[in-house]
Amino acid sequence: DTAVSQTPKYLVTQMGNDKSIKCEQNLGHDTMYWYKQDSKKFLKIMFSYNNKELIINETVPNRFSPKSPDKAHLNLHINSLELGDSAVYFCASSQAGGRFFGPGTRLTVT
Amino acid sequence: QKEVEQDPGPLSVPEGAIVSLNCTYSNSAFQYFMWYRQYSRKGPELLMYTYSSGNKEDGRFTAQVDKSSKYISLFIRDSQPSDSATYLCAMSDGSSNTGKLIFGQGTTLQVKP
Repeated sequence: DTAVSQTPKYLVTQMGNDKSIKCEQNLGHDTMYWYKQDSKKFLKIMFSYNNKELIINETVPNRFSPKSPDKAHLNLHINSLELGDSAVYFCASSQAGGRFFGPGTRLTVT
Repeated sequence: QKEVEQDPGPLSVPEGAIVSLNCTYSNSAFQYFMWYRQYSRKGPELLMYTYSSGNKEDGRFTAQVDKSSKYISLFIRDSQPSDSATYLCAMSDGSSNTGKLIFGQGTTLQVKP
């Protein structure tokens, strides 16, 4: 029983394309997040939603647009992909305390 | 200066050694401190969670927080090859749930049999 799941696991695409990553959590948590991990393993918050409401929106290009249809789902759509978007994107959820992370989506932009 | 500093390593130790992993931080408002373990090509998993200063022990793992020095540590006793992973410290100032969680860069640990 996967607590936080993401699809796809791997995504290889060309510059300029638009792509989406989906996330679902079955933990009943109210808060969900998107994090970006670069090649140096540095994890950085991108967005946070609490009960479908956006509460953290870091300095992220507006090509990135999160959407939360309900509190168990948080999707990330990326327009006009650039080489610098290549990274691992992690979805996470929390209720109180630490974050529970998904397995990650490895995005490669060529 | 980064808010959270962590030596990326790599750190290589023999099996059975005591491992000490550390982070320093600059924001005195941080109150919630965590350690995550991340295996290669996996998501981070929460190992230890502490609030404010003090020690917390869980099996072979001990987390220490010294707010006066702005320094946190994770000790691993009797290290095993299965402990080989990247260890990330993380901390938050306000609400542990909705506040921003700031991560260190992670320390890569290798435990050799």
